[in-house]
Amino acid sequence: TQLLEQSPQFLSIQEGENLTVYCNSSSVFSSLQWYRQEPGEGPVLLVTVVTGGEVKKLKRLTFQFGDARKDSSLHITAAQPGDTGLYLCAPRGNTGNQFYFGTGTSLTVIP
Amino acid sequence: DAGVIQSPRHEVTEMGQEVTLRCKPISGHNSLFWYRQTMMRGLELLIYFNNNVPIDDSGMPEDRFSAKMPNASFSTLKIQPSEPRDSAVYFCASSLRSLEQFFGPGTRLTVL
Repeated sequence: TQLLEQSPQFLSIQEGENLTVYCNSSSVFSSLQWYRQEPGEGPVLLVTVVTGGEVKKLKRLTFQFGDARKDSSLHITAAQPGDTGLYLCAPRGNTGNQFYFGTGTSLTVIP
Repeated sequence: DAGVIQSPRHEVTEMGQEVTLRCKPISGHNSLFWYRQTMMRGLELLIYFNNNVPIDDSGMPEDRFSAKMPNASFSTLKIQPSEPRDSAVYFCASSLRSLEQFFGPGTRLTVL
């Protein structure tokens, strides 16, 4: 099992603010996915990053994969209440087809 | 497409009882995953199947847990006997060629 750390564990901000959440490990990953989970529902895929140093943008969300492929960050610009949810990173190991999930960052955006 | 279907959505049972959770993956997907989610440990992979064959069950907590996938459109996760510490939300997910995982709505299990 891969050891993952997501930080912060909880984050509460005002609408319009910017934020960054992190996913760190001492292991190297072949790829990494970010999911968002809303209360009472299953996680939904936001993005997959594969190449070290890769940056992907999805509207106000910017995802970065570390150069060494051991860490990743998610930056949200001008957060909105609809961004509220649990953000999970899921790195994929170098063997097998499964992704391992972190415990997530629970984000609350206050109107 | 209806997405991944799980039943029941909620289950309340007493300690010692058998619990069976059901999952219907998205048609055409060849991988199926069972996860358990708790506040303390987050989303844990229990077992996954590829083409109906169990590939990795190292996440199954103990012998009280078993999972089957008799065909490409159905899987079950059984807990017997159930214990209060099994209380959690259990998710089933399916994928095609291990790309994006599509999650079901989950089954919230409470063992009293």
